Amino acid sequence: DAGVIQSPRHEVTEMGQEVTLRCKPISGHNSLFWYRQTMMRGLELLIYFNNNVPIDDSGMPEDRFSAKMPNASFSTLKIQPSEPRDSAVYFCASSLSGGDTDTQYFGPGTRLTVL
Amino acid sequence: GENVEQHPSTLSVQEGDSAVIKCTYSDSASNYFPWYKQELGKRPQLIIDIRSNVGEKKDQRIAVTLNKTAKHFSLHITETQPEDSAVYFCAAPRGTGKLIFGQGTTLQVKP
Repeated sequence: DAGVIQSPRHEVTEMGQEVTLRCKPISGHNSLFWYRQTMMRGLELLIYFNNNVPIDDSGMPEDRFSAKMPNASFSTLKIQPSEPRDSAVYFCASSLSGGDTDTQYFGPGTRLTVL
Repeated sequence: GENVEQHPSTLSVQEGDSAVIKCTYSDSASNYFPWYKQELGKRPQLIIDIRSNVGEKKDQRIAVTLNKTAKHFSLHITETQPEDSAVYFCAAPRGTGKLIFGQGTTLQVKP
């Protein structure tokens, strides 16, 4: 079991540039979550998908953020244009069916630095 | 919606001592309470969870207790070891499939 896979692991970019983060959930898992972790705000849920459909995007900070899940094995989180305050660790997680008691398994994260 | 408060924010113990981290939640309908451990630079990983139909669950040196009346649950680590040093997060469900995480507790175990 490869677990949740994220790429890149580290990204350094300049303000104004577009950033795309990628995630491959655990095979067979139907729910996928994008989180952002910062010292100030802790672990925040940005958006989650169930069966490739966005269910709740209320945590997406603003229009500069967008997420897609074109198929069951791939999702992207895009920031355009990026700003220094977007610097954070972004985690992707997946669970079996998105039920209330399903365990969420986290990927290794992408550490984003926006200069 | 659900709100989760976690205390303390930092905890320092001597190796071999016990550590207790407490979380309170607001939604009485919540029925699942996981605990995650995050080592420095690593991903959060589930270490134990409890469902609302039981009051306590143990797994070797870690245990979780749940008080539904008071709406709080606690993580207990006994015989702490230096490798227990990490940030611990509690969580509770908010709506279908979503988890709300506490702010985290940084546990330091001194050898």
